[in-house]
Amino acid sequence: KAGVTQTPRYLIKTRGQQVTLSCSPISGHRSVSWYQQTPGQGLQFLFEYFSETQRNKGNFPGRFSGRQFSNSRSEMNVSTLELGDSALYLCASSLGQEIGSPLHFGNGTRLTVT
Amino acid sequence: KNQVEQSPQSLIILEGKNCTLQCNYTVSPFSNLRWYKQDTGRGPVSLTIMTFSENTKSNGRYTATLDADTKQSSLHITASQLSDSASYICVVIFRYNNNDMRFGAGTRLTVKP
Repeated sequence: KAGVTQTPRYLIKTRGQQVTLSCSPISGHRSVSWYQQTPGQGLQFLFEYFSETQRNKGNFPGRFSGRQFSNSRSEMNVSTLELGDSALYLCASSLGQEIGSPLHFGNGTRLTVT
Repeated sequence: KNQVEQSPQSLIILEGKNCTLQCNYTVSPFSNLRWYKQDTGRGPVSLTIMTFSENTKSNGRYTATLDADTKQSSLHITASQLSDSASYICVVIFRYNNNDMRFGAGTRLTVKP
């Protein structure tokens, strides 16, 4: 079974631009969650989608948004990029139906904002 | 203050030696505690998941323990290998919300030949 796939692997953008990241979950997984990882803050939860609906949201500004399609694939969008948005963005999928569902992470998209 | 504190921040050991990583948390109530291994440039991979009622879980050379009374967990690695070099992240999940997670900052382990 293929793992979680994130594209692109690397991205360089300038301040003020916007960016869209993509995540394809493991087949059959309906929950997709997004995380930001930086050396200073570690891993932080952005949001989670389940069956095309945002089910949970972390403490990030509205510039960070996402969506999920009917095939469970998800996209994350960041608008008006700031230097501090430079990070590794990870997506994880799970069956999502019960507490304790294991998360399966992709290898992330490394975003650099200059 | 982070609700999940990991120690040490980094650790260097020789191949073949054992080591123990610590995770102290203040998250309450919690449903489960997870340990992940993250190789450089890759996403985290689950090592163990323990519910609040479990006190030990093994996965090959990795053994996690949990003391819910003292709110401490440890990850013990036996007979370390070069491939164990990675960051190890402790994650605590609130009992009522599977996505309300608190992440530790991780321990960076380097295994040298």
